[in-house]
Amino acid sequence: QVHLVQSGADVKKPGASVKVSCKASGYTFTNYALHWVRQAPGQRLEWMGWISVGNDNTKYSQKFQGRVTITRDTSASTAYMELSSLRSEDTAVYYCARVGLGEPMDYWGQGTLVTVSS
Amino acid sequence: EIVLTQSPGTLSLSLGERATLSCRASQSVSSSFLAWYQQKPGQAPRLLIYGASSRATGIPDRFSGSGSGTDFTLTISRLEPEDFAVYYCQQYGSSPWTFGQGTKVEIK
Repeated sequence: QVHLVQSGADVKKPGASVKVSCKASGYTFTNYALHWVRQAPGQRLEWMGWISVGNDNTKYSQKFQGRVTITRDTSASTAYMELSSLRSEDTAVYYCARVGLGEPMDYWGQGTLVTVSS
Repeated sequence: EIVLTQSPGTLSLSLGERATLSCRASQSVSSSFLAWYQQKPGQAPRLLIYGASSRATGIPDRFSGSGSGTDFTLTISRLEPEDFAVYYCQQYGSSPWTFGQGTKVEIK
């Protein structure tokens, strides 16, 4: 069955960068996109961007443009989300989610808590 | 950006009761690309409904979705103990994809 397994929790200082990984299994990695969504404490889910794994195209939310980079390694069936210039407001749980063409997010990773604190 | 507004913020109901959750969009959601997710504490969201009214794989038929354009509804016909959670609507028809702020369904 489909599994998305994310890297573990991380603590970063303001101004640093964080890179979260999302390892996929149970399906053909290149046939789906992977999206990244975050959820700050007590807040709604917030879409950050996505990567078309097959052709490496990316699209980012304007809110995160310039600070977020999504990449993938097809040989490892893994996608990555890197967020730079971290500030306290970036403290959140970050999720990856699988998306088929014209479909919503059908499988999600378990989430990665990123804490930004001095 | 399409803004999704859910109501009510909290719904207090008893086991076996019917739950009706609303999601209103600031502009029309193209091709009814509207989904509903369930989230329990400490867990990732779980897809319930896509295309406004289609149930995802393995979702019980007590969950149903309806609506089009700017007004959408999630109905849980008879609440089971495992249904008490937060529910989010999401539009995936135009970028950026956006979520509602959630409706918490709690035990009365």
